[in-house]
Amino acid sequence: ETGVTQSPTHLIKTRGQQVTLRCSSQSGHNTVSWYQQALGQGPQFIFQYYREEENGRGNFPPRFSGLQFPNYSSELNVNALELDDSALYLCASSRPGTGHLDGYTFGSGTRLTVV
Amino acid sequence: AQSVTQLDSQVPVFEEAPVELRCNYSSSVSVYLFWYVQYPNQGLQLLLKYLSGSTLVESINGFEAEFNKSQTSFHLRKPSVHISDTAEYFCAVIMTTDSWGKLQFGAGTQVVVTP
Repeated sequence: ETGVTQSPTHLIKTRGQQVTLRCSSQSGHNTVSWYQQALGQGPQFIFQYYREEENGRGNFPPRFSGLQFPNYSSELNVNALELDDSALYLCASSRPGTGHLDGYTFGSGTRLTVV
Repeated sequence: AQSVTQLDSQVPVFEEAPVELRCNYSSSVSVYLFWYVQYPNQGLQLLLKYLSGSTLVESINGFEAEFNKSQTSFHLRKPSVHISDTAEYFCAVIMTTDSWGKLQFGAGTQVVVTP
């Protein structure tokens, strides 16, 4: 098992810019979720992808968007960055079906700082 | 809607002392319960979970948690902590009606173990 890998590990962007974060799922996992973890808070669900389609979304505006590719890797895109978007972004994958009940596999995250 | 409350933001504890991390949840439907641990500069790892059956669940590294339906709690305990248990601990739920398995996290409890 290779686990979940995310890139880059750290990123600094200017307010108003756009950013793309990348995630490679664990082998055998076809469901990918993205979470935002602001400083001192628990992770907040952004959205989930299964078979290249979004099948669930948290309370985030449309400028947060994503993609899932046939190899199950995924991207998180954020447009028109705001200072409050500064956070750790976590990618998590799970096995098909009820794999989420076995526990998600999380990546180490991308630390995004918006200045 | 559901919510997860972790009553302590930080718990200092001496090595070999016991520790208890409190977690309460609120939900209109039944939930599955999880504890995840986040070591410094790492992603979240599943520590233990309650899906059904025995209300006392244990992890391989000495942690245990007990589901109390009447008090809607899932407190985490360890009788004797090690320095290596220093980490942030997150309680989380998944609604049993959510087939996609979105995790709802608490704000986390930082455990600091000192010699």
